[in-house]
Amino acid sequence: GDQVEQSPSALSLHEGTDSALRCNFTTTMRSVQWFRQNSRGSLISLFYLASGTKENGRLKSAFDSKERRYSTLHIRDAQLEDSGTYFCAAEAGGGSGNKLIFGTGTLLSVKP
Amino acid sequence: GPKVLQIPSHQIIDMGQMVTLNCDPVSNHLYFYWYKQILGQQMEFLVNFYNGKVMEKSKLFKDQFSVERPDGSYFTLKIQPTALEDSAVYFCASSSPGGEAETLYFGSGTRLTVL
Repeated sequence: GDQVEQSPSALSLHEGTDSALRCNFTTTMRSVQWFRQNSRGSLISLFYLASGTKENGRLKSAFDSKERRYSTLHIRDAQLEDSGTYFCAAEAGGGSGNKLIFGTGTLLSVKP
Repeated sequence: GPKVLQIPSHQIIDMGQMVTLNCDPVSNHLYFYWYKQILGQQMEFLVNFYNGKVMEKSKLFKDQFSVERPDGSYFTLKIQPTALEDSAVYFCASSSPGGEAETLYFGSGTRLTVL
């Protein structure tokens, strides 16, 4: 079936540094959504992209508009509150409603 | 932003009992979803629901599972009977069709423990 491969699985950053997460898709996807799950389990939507890039504060996400087979999430000037598990989730389309296929997550730990 | 509410946040039941998980989706949304997350693992799609019907379900959506949304009330996931492997966090989500509005909004989950 359709797969979403997310990397890295874990990431440790010092405050103030930059990094990027990536999701590769085994097939063309219609859209991608990025989430952060906090320690209490709540899932917070960060971005929804059908193409191109979006930026919100220190976060920026891109979805490959040509082949639609990967997406990235860039974190700039990492802060302690950015810690959590980040998931990408993609929709293949052609089905009924927006069935999202989730990646396996990136556990981000930001240290002082 | 838009909020999806899930009640209860935790539920502990004995194997074989019935359980109903409740979801109050975003008010003008038309699509509703349930996802399952076993501790430490990725979220997995269970089912989506539109216009009173199941649109698509995964192999995880066993025969013991059912969903419904009686008019104006909660979108529910019922498991009858429950099994040990049903222990997980169940997330409800909702969305509305069309462009940016297709963003899925998730609730904070119901942690189900089957003993």
